[in-house]
Amino acid sequence: EAGVAQSPRYKIIEKRQSVAFWCNPISGHATLYWYQQILGQGPKLLIQFQNNGVVDDSQLPKDRFSAERLKGVDSTLKIQPAKLEDSAVYLCASSLVWQTNTEAFFGQGTRLTVV
Amino acid sequence: GENVEQHPSTLSVQEGDSAVIKCTYSDSASNYFPWYKQELGKRPQLIIDIRSNVGEKKDQRIAVTLNKTAKHFSLHITETQPEDSAVYFCAASMGNTDKLIFGTGTRLQVFP
Repeated sequence: EAGVAQSPRYKIIEKRQSVAFWCNPISGHATLYWYQQILGQGPKLLIQFQNNGVVDDSQLPKDRFSAERLKGVDSTLKIQPAKLEDSAVYLCASSLVWQTNTEAFFGQGTRLTVV
Repeated sequence: GENVEQHPSTLSVQEGDSAVIKCTYSDSASNYFPWYKQELGKRPQLIIDIRSNVGEKKDQRIAVTLNKTAKHFSLHITETQPEDSAVYFCAASMGNTDKLIFGTGTRLQVFP
């Protein structure tokens, strides 16, 4: 089966600019996650969707980050305005069925550098 | 909130030796514990997982143990090979939310 697709792979922006990341999960996967992985650290959950509804966004900096999952398929994560500390790899993951603890499959990630 | 601690942060072993990575979790409602391997510049990939109704699971050279009382779980790699060199992450998830929280990672280096 096709994996989780993310774009772009790399992005360099200046601080205070805005940026958007796109994720296409594995077909049929109900749960979608966005993680932020700062260099040398573990993935930090930003937001979790179940179909097109938000399950958890407690760690999402809502003053600058936003995410949506229209029609319960693709998702976009936006940062506006970006700060230097947002430099990280943004990973999207999806899993098949909610509330059954199934494997989460990760995309290749988008490496964001804020200068 | 939920928290997962992971130790050690780095681990160096000789090829053929065993490696053990340990994690603790804070939320007693956690019931699913996957382990992911991440090679440099690549995506995390699941290598083994365990659910709370099982104490141990083995897959060839890899095993995971779970102590629910102590809220500990561990990854054991036997007969390590250079290709085992990577960063390993433990994670914990609660069944009612599927919220997957990761540990801080262990960089494993296997020297030939």
